[in-house]
Amino acid sequence: DTGVSQNPRHKITKRGQNVTFRCDPISEHNRLYWYRQTLGQGPEFLTYFQNEAQLEKSRLLSDRFSAERPKGSFSTLEIQRTEQGDSAMYLCASSLGWYNEQFFGPGTRLTVL
Amino acid sequence: TQLLEQSPQFLSIQEGENLTVYCNSSSVFSSLQWYRQEPGEGPVLLVTVVTGGEVKKLKRLTFQFGDARKDSSLHITAAQPGDTGLYLCAGSPQGGSEKLVFGKGMKLTVNP
Repeated sequence: DTGVSQNPRHKITKRGQNVTFRCDPISEHNRLYWYRQTLGQGPEFLTYFQNEAQLEKSRLLSDRFSAERPKGSFSTLEIQRTEQGDSAMYLCASSLGWYNEQFFGPGTRLTVL
Repeated sequence: TQLLEQSPQFLSIQEGENLTVYCNSSSVFSSLQWYRQEPGEGPVLLVTVVTGGEVKKLKRLTFQFGDARKDSSLHITAAQPGDTGLYLCAGSPQGGSEKLVFGKGMKLTVNP
């Protein structure tokens, strides 16, 4: 039984560099979500895919952020020209859509120096 | 802006005590989830409630969804050190959005 996996688990980068994170959802789940969590806060929604279509994006997702899910399976989240304010835990979740029950991966901890 | 308010935000208790965590909103939710999160890890789903007034039990944990589907509570009986963690409630706002809206969480410490 494989749950949601995310890689890398930790990423340290310098301000201005680009970073890319990968999420592999539970295999039969057609819905995939990205969230961001900062210290002392609950996760905040970034974007949502149903199969390969990106159907919803938060205003938090600035133009430096882009997400893809090219074949409706794994997804990538890229942050260009990183800023110190991008430091956070980036969480991926997947769902079958039943009552919007979402299952989360372990997250990628990003630190921007 | 968080639509879900959790209280208390921090709780430190002794092993064996009971506790209740509240999750309140002025908005109606089509469903509500409770998660538990350990430091450095993703949230782990505990339960989903969908019907107003619904009560679900998971061993020593009892979850209730308010009649109007605007609030929820989590009651833990005879807390154990293994219950230590961050408890998050999350809801799907009525109106079709697929996103989950989270509260800030309640950080629980159970001392042996």
